Amino acid sequence: QSALTQPPSVSGSPGQSVTISCTGTSSDVGSYNRVSWYQQPPGTAPKLMIYEVSNRPSGVPDRFSGSKSGNTASLTISGLQAEDEADYYCSSYTSSSTWVFGTGTTVTVL
Amino acid sequence: ELQLVQSGAEVKKPGESLKISCKGSGYTFTTYWIGWVRQMPGKGLEWMGIIYPGDSDTRYSPSFQGQVTISADKSISTAYLQWSSLKASDTAMYYCARSPYSYGYLDVWGKGTTVTVSS
Repeated sequence: QSALTQPPSVSGSPGQSVTISCTGTSSDVGSYNRVSWYQQPPGTAPKLMIYEVSNRPSGVPDRFSGSKSGNTASLTISGLQAEDEADYYCSSYTSSSTWVFGTGTTVTVL
Repeated sequence: ELQLVQSGAEVKKPGESLKISCKGSGYTFTTYWIGWVRQMPGKGLEWMGIIYPGDSDTRYSPSFQGQVTISADKSISTAYLQWSSLKASDTAMYYCARSPYSYGYLDVWGKGTTVTVSS
């Protein structure tokens, strides 16, 4: 089971928007609307930010949004803030009835 | 308060056995799945497997099948991850997390248990 592919890093100035891609295959991202995104600041446990492609849990700012097209899912952070600096991981259910995380992306606020 | 409380850090030698725990509170433990996730030092997240404490239905990622055992004791709202013979490569942070579905997302996470395996 190969990890989903994410860019190693993205950066932006405060107030800008950044988008993180998450590329899988027709056996995972492309087949299921079961993509989720997690935020992990250094030294802390991950936190759910988006579930089932585009749904935000209670308490997550609406600056965070998710989408999917074909085998690629995306997380967009609008109005970037300093507190958004963290590692971000996507995850998908797979046709093997297993799960896979992405390779992870570090978001830097310039 | 809704939370998952994990057991404390462990330092073990290669070949030793280990069982770490994850206790749920603030919700009905038997109606949510508990997943386990590995994070090796400086690396990304890896799905290990998931268990439904209500009936102990357990699923493993292929990379971890046969390497670890996931179990649960619903009478004390606790899930477990265990090894029969640790290797140095098992050194990592291990997180438990709750999921409403076997195919699903992880909505509540424990703080993690650090496992160090060294001779």
